[in-house]
Amino acid sequence: NAGVMQNPRHLVRRRGQEARLRCSPMKGHSHVYWYRQLPEEGLKFMVYLQKENIIDESGMPKERFSAEFPKEGPSILRIQQVVRGDSAAYFCASSPPSNYGYTFGSGTRLTVV
Amino acid sequence: TQLLEQSPQFLSIQEGENLTVYCNSSSVFSSLQWYRQEPGEGPVLLVTVVTGGEVKKLKRLTFQFGDARKDSSLHITAAQPGDTGLYLCAGANAGGTSYGKLTFGQGTILTVHP
Repeated sequence: NAGVMQNPRHLVRRRGQEARLRCSPMKGHSHVYWYRQLPEEGLKFMVYLQKENIIDESGMPKERFSAEFPKEGPSILRIQQVVRGDSAAYFCASSPPSNYGYTFGSGTRLTVV
Repeated sequence: TQLLEQSPQFLSIQEGENLTVYCNSSSVFSSLQWYRQEPGEGPVLLVTVVTGGEVKKLKRLTFQFGDARKDSSLHITAAQPGDTGLYLCAGANAGGTSYGKLTFGQGTILTVHP
């Protein structure tokens, strides 16, 4: 089991472009979470998804950000029209239905230039 | 909004010393998790504590969950340079649509000098 796979590991985008971050959960894990880690700040919850459902998106910015976890394929975090303030490390985590303990991926480091 | 206050923010000690990291909140959590994060990597789960008053040991690491499930501590005995890293506590919500959502503390950067 390869664990939670995130790609790309590093992503550079110019202001105004779109960023797509992918996350494949661990085998058998049906819950996916996205977190953002800004410099000098802790990990902040963004969104919690199950297959084809957004369960809690209370941490997602109201504009430009969206997430999905389709029936087939990885979970996608999409950021439209990126700005410099979006530069951060984005982590995906997955868990089994018990929610007792996440497995995190290695993250995608987004740099907006 | 639930908050977790983690202290100290920085800890620099010599090999062989003992240390304790604290995680405090005014909110009740269904469980409390401790993670360790290396530079450039994602957090790795060390332990989950669920029951108020619970104590778990992982080799030289001892984790405690407060009786009221609002606070936790991580104690490391005879620290080694390999313990160097960022330690994070995280509280899980009790239920509803927020079930599974974690609230993280700011982290403790531990440096153990040989």
